[in-house]
Order: sequence, then structure tokens, then C-alpha cells
Amino acid sequence: AQSVTQLGSHVSVSEGALVLLRCNYSSSVPPYLFWYVQYPNQGLQLLLKYTSAATLVKGINGFEAEFKKSETSFHLTKPSAHMSDAAEYFCAVSASVLRQGGKLIFGQGTELSVKP
Amino acid sequence: KAGVTQTPRYLIKTRGQQVTLSCSPISGHRSVSWYQQTPGQGLQFLFEYFSETQRNKGNFPGRFSGRQFSNSRSEMNVSTLELGDSALYLCASSLEGGANVLTFGAGSRLTVL
Repeated sequence: AQSVTQLGSHVSVSEGALVLLRCNYSSSVPPYLFWYVQYPNQGLQLLLKYTSAATLVKGINGFEAEFKKSETSFHLTKPSAHMSDAAEYFCAVSASVLRQGGKLIFGQGTELSVKP
Repeated sequence: KAGVTQTPRYLIKTRGQQVTLSCSPISGHRSVSWYQQTPGQGLQFLFEYFSETQRNKGNFPGRFSGRQFSNSRSEMNVSTLELGDSALYLCASSLEGGANVLTFGAGSRLTVL
């Protein structure tokens, strides 16, 4: 069975500081992994995805994530936080053995605050 | 290219009533998935439809149902509403064969009084 754990429900950083949001996964098959962002009163927007190609994945808005199989991790980073990065971030893993279809397992989310 | 459209955006119902939510996917997307988002339980998968057939189902009671039409538009229905059904209901569409890249709508926020 697939599962996702996000460490830290709230993370606060200063503007210009490094952003690190942690995600660990469990999967019985090589996983497809995703990071989504949700701004208030909006749906989820895809930041980046890992689909067994390069282990370092670059996404939108300067975010990137590194797939580490040995650590079963897929942490999200951004070198320099911007005020507009304040949002909730969700890590997700494909729940299908075939890794297709619309069923994803989401972590509980991490709310990122950015201080001026 | 239009995104995923969900209607209505906000609605208020009372216990015991039923509700129907609508989702129009991105043109060309044949898979539509529904999720429930609450502060306590987070994002939980409800069901997925592909070519008018339910392909996956989450762990929700039978009061939650859905369907998909030939134009890929989807509806979900919740009958006999309970207070705990208050949530943001998100619809997402995707291309078949893709790596589960879901494009989400803005959601329908249901409040049950």
C-alpha cells in the first residue's frame, strides 16, 4: 500500500531564506511522486512530479525536489523564499499499482509562512 | 485552454438534504477524479470516472455517488447530508495514460447546517 508522511504541519521562514518541506513515502512499487500547492480558496496546482526519470526534479516558481530511494524521501526545496510562496503544500504518491488513474494518496499538508 | 470548472463554488445545505456538484474537465481529458478536503482528514479520494465508468473508489459510504457523461463532464451527489460532510470538494481531470498529472478545479465548498 502507498502512503505519504509530511513532516511538520507548519513551517515558517524569512523572506530570502531556504525553504525545505519534507516528504517521506511508502510504496510497494516504484512510485510516481508529486508536489502540489494550494493558495487560499483555490484548488491544487502542480509544482512538480517525479516519474522515474531524473532524480532531481525542477518545477515551477523556482521549486525543486530530489527523489532519494534509499531514504524514501521526496523533499521540496527553494533556495530563496518569496512572500508569494506562502501557501499550503501537499506531497502525493500514486495509489495505483499501475501508477495510472486519478487516485493519489496525499500527505496531510504543510503550511508555509514567509516572514518579511 | 479552459481549466477545470466546478459549480457551484459555495453552497449551504441542511442535514438530511442532498446535493449535486458538477465538474467540467479540461477539453480532451477523459478521467475525472473527486476528492474531499477537510481540516481534520485532509485530502481524501472519493472516486474516479473514465469513459463514463467508475474506475476507482475511495472509502466513503454509499451516500456519496457520482457519474460521468459522454462529454466527460461529471457530477457527484451526496444524499442524506450530515454535518461531517461539510468540506471542500475538489474535482480533477487528467489525460489517460499520463503519470497521474491531475489538474484541479477551484472546488465546491459545502457547508451543512
